Amino acid sequence: DQQVKQNSPSLSVQEGRISILNCDYTNSMFDYFLWYKKYPAEGPTFLISISSIKDKNEDGRFTVFLNKSAKHLSLHIVPSQPGDSAVYFCAASGGWDDKIIFGKGTRLHILP
Amino acid sequence: KAGVTQTPRYLIKTRGQQVTLSCSPISGHRSVSWYQQTPGQGLQFLFEYFSETQRNKGNFPGRFSGRQFSNSRSEMNVSTLELGDSALYLCASSPRDREETQYFGPGTRLLVL
Repeated sequence: DQQVKQNSPSLSVQEGRISILNCDYTNSMFDYFLWYKKYPAEGPTFLISISSIKDKNEDGRFTVFLNKSAKHLSLHIVPSQPGDSAVYFCAASGGWDDKIIFGKGTRLHILP
Repeated sequence: KAGVTQTPRYLIKTRGQQVTLSCSPISGHRSVSWYQQTPGQGLQFLFEYFSETQRNKGNFPGRFSGRQFSNSRSEMNVSTLELGDSALYLCASSPRDREETQYFGPGTRLLVL
């Protein structure tokens, strides 16, 4: 069973507009959430994180929103830039075994 | 600081063989985690080592094993390779706890024929 789900395998957004990447989780014990970005032939790089005691965390163009009641988080990128084209992984930790569980990723294409 | 390095970057093996992958974490980082990435399954946690001890383990068969040395370098071993083991194997390091930001290496791409 997938504890962290990214239901959109891919997303295309016009340059300059807002990109919204979504992530759902099933384990209510998760209390820390992270977003990673991955370019081809490179390892993932950390983008932004949020603890369950918050509902929003902002870092420049990146904002992560957490809705604990819905077990849903989203990453907003505004404005979207060509260099944002990559695969984005959502991850969560804090389950009974404290492992970090990753989603399958969403490929974001920024269109010129 | 140098980033996380992984060797080799690419590897081709045949079924039944065994393979050892190496990871050197960022200097000063004591936690090393290993992940398997496949197109259909995303990133799946293999195991994590901290101060030479395996602290956590994912749901992989016993053919997958690892170890960590006193200098925090880590190795991952896969015995009796199967075709389904073809994947990108990623190593990530963090200073102490996995909940801190993890820094990933470029990965080792393993192809099993």
